[in-house]
Amino acid sequence: GQQLNQSPQSMFIQEGEDVSMNCTSSSIFNTWLWYKQDPGEGPVLLIALYKAGELTSNGRLTAQFGITRKDSFLNISASIPSDVGIYFCAGYTPPNAGGTSYGKLTFGQGTILTVHP
Amino acid sequence: DSGVTQTPKHLITATGQRVTLRCSPRSGDLSVYWYQQSLDQGLQFLIQYYNGEERAKGNILERFSAQQFPDLHSELNLSSLELGDSALYFCASSVAVTGNTIYFGEGSWLTVV
Repeated sequence: GQQLNQSPQSMFIQEGEDVSMNCTSSSIFNTWLWYKQDPGEGPVLLIALYKAGELTSNGRLTAQFGITRKDSFLNISASIPSDVGIYFCAGYTPPNAGGTSYGKLTFGQGTILTVHP
Repeated sequence: DSGVTQTPKHLITATGQRVTLRCSPRSGDLSVYWYQQSLDQGLQFLIQYYNGEERAKGNILERFSAQQFPDLHSELNLSSLELGDSALYFCASSVAVTGNTIYFGEGSWLTVV
């Protein structure tokens, strides 16, 4: 089945540094989503990307939908302690034309971000 | 606050027991999804309902079942619980059946002892 390779698995950075993480797949997606999850909480949607090449920002966060539609990256600029958490990418595959399959959202394994003050 | 409400937040139960987790989707959302998250498995899709009907099935065990009611809230029933069922269970919702953008609740933390 489809798999997303999310990297890095974990990052330890100093406050103020920029962060970059990415997801790649052998499959094409038509939507990329980035979520952040705090410990014991549900994933919160950060950015949604719907078109190949799309570059979208949300405050200090910037994400891009790769031209090949098989990858996406998330950048966090000037990190702060509250950026700590697990970041997940997710790629969406729509239902097929024959209607024999449903749309599917595939999640990466997550990037654990630790920010040292 | 995503607008997706889950209860209970925490639950401790014994092996062999049955529990029911409840979810209210965001206002206007017709699709409800259930996910399981354990430490070593990441986010695993269990099942999706759209407007009361089952639409997609993922890695849901036969001991688990779900339904979506006319008021669009959903319940996930977990029976004959095993230690390995201990996990965070998330509900998510989206307005459309296609689910290319979904919003998660805060989760129900199940501990089986």
